[in-house]
Amino acid sequence: DIVMTQSPDSLAVSLGERATINCKSSQSVLYSLNNENYLAWYQQKPGQPPKLLIYWASNRESGVPDRFSGSGSGTDFTLTISSLQAEDVAVYYCQQYETTPPTFGQGTRLELK
Amino acid sequence: EVQLVESGGSVVRPGGSLRLSCAASGFRFDDHGMNWVRQAPGKGLEWVSGINWNGGSTGQVDSVKGRFTISRDNARNSLFLQMNGLRAEDTALYLCARSRGVNWNYVDFDYWGQGTLVTVSS
Repeated sequence: DIVMTQSPDSLAVSLGERATINCKSSQSVLYSLNNENYLAWYQQKPGQPPKLLIYWASNRESGVPDRFSGSGSGTDFTLTISSLQAEDVAVYYCQQYETTPPTFGQGTRLELK
Repeated sequence: EVQLVESGGSVVRPGGSLRLSCAASGFRFDDHGMNWVRQAPGKGLEWVSGINWNGGSTGQVDSVKGRFTISRDNARNSLFLQMNGLRAEDTALYLCARSRGVNWNYVDFDYWGQGTLVTVSS
C-alpha cells in the first residue's frame, strides 16, 4: 500500500497569513499514460464529514474558494491557503487514488494563531 | 442537492454482525461508484470498500476481506455494507462517499455523508 505522510501534524497561522501543508507519498502517484497525479485534498471541520477541495493534485473543486490551491507532482505535494480565514480552521487530509487501496495521510490540524 | 444518509450503526458484541445502509438522493445513483470510508474516534480516514456503478467490481481493504461485503441496489438508490465477524478495531464512524465517475477506484470522492457509528464492545 502507498503510505501518505503529511507535515506538519499541526499548524497555527494568523488570520490573513499563508498556510502550507505538505504531503509525501511512498511511491509516485503520477500515472504516466495520462500525466495526471492521482492526489486529492480534503477539509474536515469538527463534527462534519470531509469535503473535497482539490483533485488531480491541482484542480479546485467547484465552489471551493480560490485561496485554496494544490501543487506538486510525483511524490511531493502541497496544499496552500493563501490568506487564512477563520472558517478554514479544520483538519486537512491528502489522499492518493493511483493504486488500490486508496490511502489517506494522517491529517494536519490547522488552527488560528 | 446531493445527499448521502447513512444508517444501521449500533453497539454490537465482538463476533457480531451489522448491515449498514446509505440512501442517496439528488443525483443519478447508477452514474457513480460508491465507497465506505471509516474514521475511528479521534483518528484519521481509512477507506474500507468500494463498488462500481453496476456492482460488477468491488474492492476492500485487506483488514476486512472475508468479513465485510459491499453491495448496492440501484433501483432503491442505496448502498450497503454487510459486516460480519466484527472486532473491537472495527469501531468507527462509517461514512458513505461518492466516487467521481462510474468506478470505485482511481477516482477521488466528491460527496460524503455524515456517517453512522459502529461500536464493537463486550
